Amino acid sequence: AQSVTQLGSHVSVSEGALVLLRCNYSSSVPPYLFWYVQYPNQGLQLLLKYTSAATLVKGINGFEAEFKKSETSFHLTKPSAHMSDAAEYFCAVRVGTGGFKTIFGAGTRLFVKA
Amino acid sequence: EPEVTQTPSHQVTQMGQEVILRCVPISNHLYFYWYRQILGQKVEFLVSFYNNEISEKSEIFDDQFSVERPDGSNFTLKIRSTKLEDSAMYFCASSPYRESYNEQFFGPGTRLTVL
Repeated sequence: AQSVTQLGSHVSVSEGALVLLRCNYSSSVPPYLFWYVQYPNQGLQLLLKYTSAATLVKGINGFEAEFKKSETSFHLTKPSAHMSDAAEYFCAVRVGTGGFKTIFGAGTRLFVKA
Repeated sequence: EPEVTQTPSHQVTQMGQEVILRCVPISNHLYFYWYRQILGQKVEFLVSFYNNEISEKSEIFDDQFSVERPDGSNFTLKIRSTKLEDSAMYFCASSPYRESYNEQFFGPGTRLTVL
């Protein structure tokens, strides 16, 4: 069964520092992977998605993620954190069964210190 | 830009009461979904819906839940007899295609509080 695992329920960085949020996937077929962001009291917004066209995927707000098949990873990075990046981030995989549902990781809450 | 909308944003109900959560998916989308997120937990799949029928449902989606597309625009989730543990944020999502590489578009959610 396809699944994603996010390492670290909380990550804290200083403003201007590198952001690295980890996600590993488990899949017997090429996965379609997504990162969503959830700001406090808001819905889920797509940051970026991997669809096998390119292993390095650029998303909104300066985020990017690299698909590494050898490591079964899809880590999310941003070179320089901004206070507005403080939110919950979810790695997700779209599962190709009848309903094509999205399976979410447990989420990583990002804190940005001034 | 088209977006998924949900009403109400917050619903408070008494245990045992019926609630209906409403969603308006993006107009040209064909696949519709409900997810829930209990406070502090991950987002969980409830049900998917296509061509006026359920295409997949999770173990959470038991007989007290039902979904309907009563007209060409609305997609509803009904909980027949609410329980305390139904308190959660409920997200509606839609997708234009079934293929896995297409993301789902999520609404802002309805926060359901069962007292």
